Amino acid sequence: DVKVTQSSRYLVKRTGEKVFLECVQDMDHENMFWYRQDPGLGLRLIYFSYDVKMKEKGDIPEGYSVSREKKERFSLILESASTNQTSMYLCASSFQGPRNTGELFFGEGSRLTVL
Amino acid sequence: GNSVTQMEGPVTLSEEAFLTINCTYTATGYPSLFWYVQYPGEGLQLLLKATKADDKGSNKGFEATYRKETTSFHLEKGSVQVSDSAVYFCALTGNFNKFYFGSGTKLNVKP
Repeated sequence: DVKVTQSSRYLVKRTGEKVFLECVQDMDHENMFWYRQDPGLGLRLIYFSYDVKMKEKGDIPEGYSVSREKKERFSLILESASTNQTSMYLCASSFQGPRNTGELFFGEGSRLTVL
Repeated sequence: GNSVTQMEGPVTLSEEAFLTINCTYTATGYPSLFWYVQYPGEGLQLLLKATKADDKGSNKGFEATYRKETTSFHLEKGSVQVSDSAVYFCALTGNFNKFYFGSGTKLNVKP
């Protein structure tokens, strides 16, 4: 069964802390994504990666960075967490090219609270 | 640019009622359109999709038709169940890499 696993369901951090959110997929997908979900705003793309060590900025990259050292793993990093980064973070993955049916596969989400 | 607008919720219905959730889009070119569903405590999952004008996507009793003339992709179900209670997201993509999501519509179905 297809699986995208996010390392933490719930995190509580303090302002200024460095935060790592990990995502692992077992489907050999080339594309991986990090979204932020906020009420009334839907999903907004933070970063996107189409290959190992490759990344592209999404719509709201400020305050975030990402790392993709292995195909199956995509990490989101908050260098210095702030209260306005309190949110639900969703990781997703998909194939590229002919195997891409347009379907994104999502993890269950990581709810981050920054105090 | 690309964007998706969907009706605000929450939508509250009784079991067996008819459901419509409106979705309109703005896009350059010829996007593919999707409905994703998020059940409580879970990530999003694909509900249905349509890749060209006049296509109808369907799944689990839900349907949506890609209407280019009205730039719409409204979600419908003839008879909702309590188990359909969830948040529904309309989305589009032009290249299957970057997706644009609507703000989500929460559906509550009461027995």
